[in-house]
Order: sequence, then C-alpha cells, then structure tokens
Amino acid sequence: DTGVSQNPRHKITKRGQNVTFRCDPISEHNRLYWYRQTLGQGPEFLTYFQNEAQLEKSRLLSDRFSAERPKGSFSTLEIQRTEQGDSAMYLCASSFDLGQAEAFFGQGTRLTVV
Amino acid sequence: GNSVTQMEGPVTLSEEAFLTINCTYTATGYPSLFWYVQYPGEGLQLLLKATKADDKGSNKGFEATYRKETTSFHLEKGSVQVSDSAVYFCALSDNNDMRFGAGTRLTVKP
Repeated sequence: DTGVSQNPRHKITKRGQNVTFRCDPISEHNRLYWYRQTLGQGPEFLTYFQNEAQLEKSRLLSDRFSAERPKGSFSTLEIQRTEQGDSAMYLCASSFDLGQAEAFFGQGTRLTVV
Repeated sequence: GNSVTQMEGPVTLSEEAFLTINCTYTATGYPSLFWYVQYPGEGLQLLLKATKADDKGSNKGFEATYRKETTSFHLEKGSVQVSDSAVYFCALSDNNDMRFGAGTRLTVKP
C-alpha cells in the first residue's frame, strides 16, 4: 500500500459542469476525510466517513456537493453545477478509528473552474 | 465547536535562528494535537503529535508541548535550516473530526 491516492491530480472544467473526484485511502483505515484548501489557507473540513457511514458534513458542503463511500473503501466527491468559487485543492485523508490517530493525506486534486 | 488559531505569517528567519510558531486551540473535550508540514509541491505530512496534556511531541529537531492550562501547542526549533522552509499547520483531532489552523509559511534564508 503506497498511501492515500487521489485522482485526477488536476481538473479544469467549465462553469456549470459536474466533476467527480476519487480517493483511495490506506486499506486498513476506516476513517476517510475530505478537505478543501485554498491558497494561503489551511485545509477546511468538508466531511468524513467512518467505514461507509458519512458521520459529519460541514456547512461549507452545499447541496451541490455530495460524497459517497459505498463499500467503506474508496470515496468519491462530486460537485454539481460548478462555480468559479469552487476552484481549490481538494484533499483526502484517512486514518484509523481512534481520536489520537494521525491522518495521512493524499496529494490532492486541484480543481480550476473557468 | 473545535477550532485552531495559529500565528499569522509569513515568518522569515536566517539559518540557525530559533523558531517559534504559536498555536492555540478551542475544544470541548480532550483532543489530540498535531503539527503538519507542507513542503513546496508536496502533500501534508505529519511532523509531530501529542495525545494528552503535558505530552511533548518531537521530530527532526522540532518540539511542541501540549499545554492544557493555556490551550496551546506551540512549535519550536532551536536552529532552523534552509530545508525547513515550508508551510506549518497546527491541527486538533477528537473522536469526531480533525480541524486545522490557517498555516504559517516559514522561509529560512542562508
């Protein structure tokens, strides 16, 4: 296992289009997180899963955003009707199901909405 | 809710200077505390962590002590190197999620 993998690494889309990102966590990890990071800011929490259950969603996650983790393994983050303000780095992380467990991050997917 | 506040950057130091990056947190329970580092062009990596009060995390010459009485987890290094130039993020985690500070960009000049 080589760590958390995210695809694609870069995505350029036209405003109004839908995009979907994929995250493959470290296989033993049952927690999976999605974050959004804009230039000069720290990662902003979007949502997290414990196995296949989505346990928390940030108010940042508008109804245009949806995330799934259907079998408790990989996860997808979909953004519908993209807007220019959605341009950011989308980060995925995974961890064991312990409060003190560190999160391991993927390289991220950079989304540019034109 | 839980939150993390970091000192604003950027921070520019000369090689071998002493580094402190302040971090304070707000949490309802007893979180674990972390420092992550992001080198140019790379993803976030764990630098060090502490899981309970008075614990000291250390790695690569960096240290931070979990201070419950001041709700702080300041990052320190006695002698920085050019290779330490990166963005540093303080974070906390409880049983629900992990929250990050805004990050502090450190530039070390030779």
